[in-house]
Amino acid sequence: SQKIEQNSEALNIQEGKTATLTCNYTNYSPAYLQWYRQDPGRGPVFLLLIRENEKEKRKERLKVTFDTTLKQSLFHITASQPADSATYLCALDMRTGNQFYFGTGTSLTVIP
Amino acid sequence: DAGVIQSPRHEVTEMGQEVTLRCKPISGHNSLFWYRQTMMRGLELLIYFNNNVPIDDSGMPEDRFSAKMPNASFSTLKIQPSEPRDSAVYFCASSSGIMNTEAFFGQGTRLTVV
Repeated sequence: SQKIEQNSEALNIQEGKTATLTCNYTNYSPAYLQWYRQDPGRGPVFLLLIRENEKEKRKERLKVTFDTTLKQSLFHITASQPADSATYLCALDMRTGNQFYFGTGTSLTVIP
Repeated sequence: DAGVIQSPRHEVTEMGQEVTLRCKPISGHNSLFWYRQTMMRGLELLIYFNNNVPIDDSGMPEDRFSAKMPNASFSTLKIQPSEPRDSAVYFCASSSGIMNTEAFFGQGTRLTVV
């Protein structure tokens, strides 16, 4: 069955450093991959989308890579700030429609 | 647009009661999704509608769960009878329905079944 796994442990980093979050998947080949941010008590909010034919995507301090051979996406936040503290979720499509499936999420805390 | 609107925000009910969760998607969006989030299982897709038609309901846990979308601006998720293990946060999301576009989520309904 399909599996989408993210860093199982919470990630704590110092302000100003780069945070790197991992999304690994098995048993299928998504056409695209999305990253969302979720704050406590709120719904997920879209951040970035990367397609299978794209190696890297950037948006301000965010960078996403997509390696279809390794079946992995990396999500980087450079010059991290305490306001970046949240849970980050990756989501993959199934090539069968518009629906997509989420990973387990990684909790990030940026320490001032 | 006000975004995706869900109601109620919180619901506490007794085991065995019927629960109905409501969702108003963003106007013009023709894909709608219901997700359930728990600590143990994360964010699970329950059902997906496109143009008001259920396309994929393989995530609906059992026959106690049902979802409808009678028109483009309204959807319901019903649990009957409810059980304590149904306690979770239920999210509704909508998207434009074009492939490779993001979904917009509501604030969620926190359901507690006692």
